[in-house]
Amino acid sequence: DIQMTQSPSTLSASVGDRVTITCRASQSISSWLAWYQQKPGKAPKLLIYKASSLESGVPSRFSGSGSGTEFTLTISSLQPDDFATYYCQQYNSYWDLTFGPGTKVDIK
Amino acid sequence: QVQLVESGGGVVQPGGSLRLSCAASGFTFSSYGMHWVRQAPGKGLEWVAFIRYDGSNKYYADSVKGRFTISRDNSKNTLYLQMNSLRAEDTAVYYCAKDKIRCPHYWGQGTLVTVSS
Repeated sequence: DIQMTQSPSTLSASVGDRVTITCRASQSISSWLAWYQQKPGKAPKLLIYKASSLESGVPSRFSGSGSGTEFTLTISSLQPDDFATYYCQQYNSYWDLTFGPGTKVDIK
Repeated sequence: QVQLVESGGGVVQPGGSLRLSCAASGFTFSSYGMHWVRQAPGKGLEWVAFIRYDGSNKYYADSVKGRFTISRDNSKNTLYLQMNSLRAEDTAVYYCAKDKIRCPHYWGQGTLVTVSS
């Protein structure tokens, strides 16, 4: 099974900051990686798929990069609506989909 | 627009069974694979199962294999998750999600399953 790690687990930042979250896979997953945003009591929302493709309707301040085993999610200028928990997820195969443990972005 | 509405959650004793449903609308249900994903209270996300658009293939997480069964009725635009031999560690909010090339895309609001005596 492919294991996913994320760093940091918690990130304190201010509005306007540039924020970067890292996700690592235990083996190569090519570009089969997605990023989700989840707010308390709500379902996750897809932000990025195939490592760097922005989901329709998602603000352009969100971007994703990477391939193989190392990936990043970048928020270019943090907005008040962006304080949430972010999860990466590998989908290299239908029988082994794995989420990372999450990164909580809170207010500094 | 895409709507997914889960139902069937509740409190069940360890060893018991429960069937979850997910009513889909706003898209051609029979053309898309569907996922179940769960989230234990205060914890992260765990993929549970996937079913192809026509039900021809089903995949499960090791943690539920042999106990849970995913199915669908395309005539009713409904996805199901039959959960047997439930354990305390199955306590979670269960989400259904529309597939986007192996990636859970649109998600429902979730239904809470509590396994407790």
